Amino acid sequence: GQQLNQSPQSMFIQEGEDVSMNCTSSSIFNTWLWYKQDPGEGPVLLIALYKAGELTSNGRLTAQFGITRKDSFLNISASIPSDVGIYFCAGQLGTGNQFYFGTGTSLTVIP
Amino acid sequence: EAQVTQNPRYLITVTGKKLTVTCSQNMNHEYMSWYRQDPGLGLRQIYYSMNVEVTDKGDVPEGYKVSRKEKRNFPLILESPSPNQTSLYFCASSESAPQETQYFGPGTRLLVL
Repeated sequence: GQQLNQSPQSMFIQEGEDVSMNCTSSSIFNTWLWYKQDPGEGPVLLIALYKAGELTSNGRLTAQFGITRKDSFLNISASIPSDVGIYFCAGQLGTGNQFYFGTGTSLTVIP
Repeated sequence: EAQVTQNPRYLITVTGKKLTVTCSQNMNHEYMSWYRQDPGLGLRQIYYSMNVEVTDKGDVPEGYKVSRKEKRNFPLILESPSPNQTSLYFCASSESAPQETQYFGPGTRLLVL
C-alpha cells in the first residue's frame, strides 16, 4: 500500500518553542490534510490543503502543500502543553476515494 | 450533538469467533470509512463507502467485511478473527468525500487471542 512517511517520529520540546514536522510520499497527492490525535481519542482535522504551493494557517498552526505534490509541512509556533498528541498527515491520491494516513509524529511539550 | 459512535469500545475475543463492530453517525454523511491504527504504521484504511450499498476496499481489506444498508450505519465484520487483527479501530464519516473533514468515532480496541 501507499506509504506516507512522517518525520520526526517523535519530538520532545520545551513550552514556547516552535515545532516543524513533515510528510513525504513517493506518489503525487491531490490533497493534503493534517490531523491531531489526543490520547484515547480519534483524530481531529487541523488544516486542509487542496493546491500545490498552498500555505494555510489555523491559529498557531501553519501548513504547506509542497510544490512537487509529494510532501507537506506543518509548523506550530509557541507550543503550549495542550499541543501534546500525535500529528498525522493524510491525503488522497489522484481522483480516487481511497485515503491514506502518515505514520504519525508524537509531540511532547515540557512545561 | 453531531457524532460518530462505535460499539463496543473494548473487545477481547478468541481466534475464529465472528464479531461485528458497529458504527453509526447522525450527520447524514454520505462517506464512511474504517481504519485500523497500529504502532509505527499510523492509520490504514480498511474499507470505505461512498453511499448506501456502495462500498470499496481500502489499503488493508483482507479479513474484513462491511455493509452499508442504511446511510447512518457502517458495521465492520470480522468473520474469522486472527491475532494479527488485534488493533485499535476507528470509524469515520464525512459529508461526501474523504478529503473533506472526517469525523472520527472514539475507537474500538480489539484483542484477538
